[in-house]
Amino acid sequence: DAGVTQSPTHLIKTRGQHVTLRCSPISGHKSVSWYQQVLGQGPQFIFQYYEKEERGRGNFPDRFSARQFPNYSSELNVNALLLGDSALYLCASRSSETQYFGPGTRLLVL
Amino acid sequence: AQSVAQPEDQVNVAEGNPLTVKCTYSVSGNPYLFWYVQYPNRGLQFLLKYITGDNLVKGSYGFEAEFNKSQTSFHLKKPSALVSDSALYFCAVRDYNDYKLSFGAGTTVTVRA
Repeated sequence: DAGVTQSPTHLIKTRGQHVTLRCSPISGHKSVSWYQQVLGQGPQFIFQYYEKEERGRGNFPDRFSARQFPNYSSELNVNALLLGDSALYLCASRSSETQYFGPGTRLLVL
Repeated sequence: AQSVAQPEDQVNVAEGNPLTVKCTYSVSGNPYLFWYVQYPNRGLQFLLKYITGDNLVKGSYGFEAEFNKSQTSFHLKKPSALVSDSALYFCAVRDYNDYKLSFGAGTTVTVRA
């Protein structure tokens, strides 16, 4: 089975722009979570979606938003990009108690 | 609130020697504990988890971890390290009724030949 897939793999944006990151969960998984990993730190929780509903939100500003589609894929949107948004964005899908992570999208904001 | 501490930024061992990566946690309810490994420019790869049951958990690639409730610890161990085990290791915790994972800052493991 394919694992969690994310696109794009890399992205370069400038301050003030908007970005959309995409995630496809493992087949059969209905829950998707998003995490931000800044260089040198552990991942920080951003959002969790289950059955297309938001089930949790981390301590991130309203510039961050997400949604989940009927096929359980998900998008993470970030508006008005700041230099500090440069990070690896990880998507995870959940089966039972375990979250399985995708390869991430590396975002660089200049 | 839930949190994880990984007290060592780096662990260096010789190939063939035992490897231990330390983790302590704080959570209000019953803890669900996880170890992940991250290779350069890659996502997180699941190694093992503790949900309930035996305190010694066995996972992928010969890794195991021991849950110690009294010391609130969940140390990762491997009896004989390989050079290919060199990577960044993360411990994570969540409360039993919440699916949000809280991660430690990570421990870089270097295994020298």
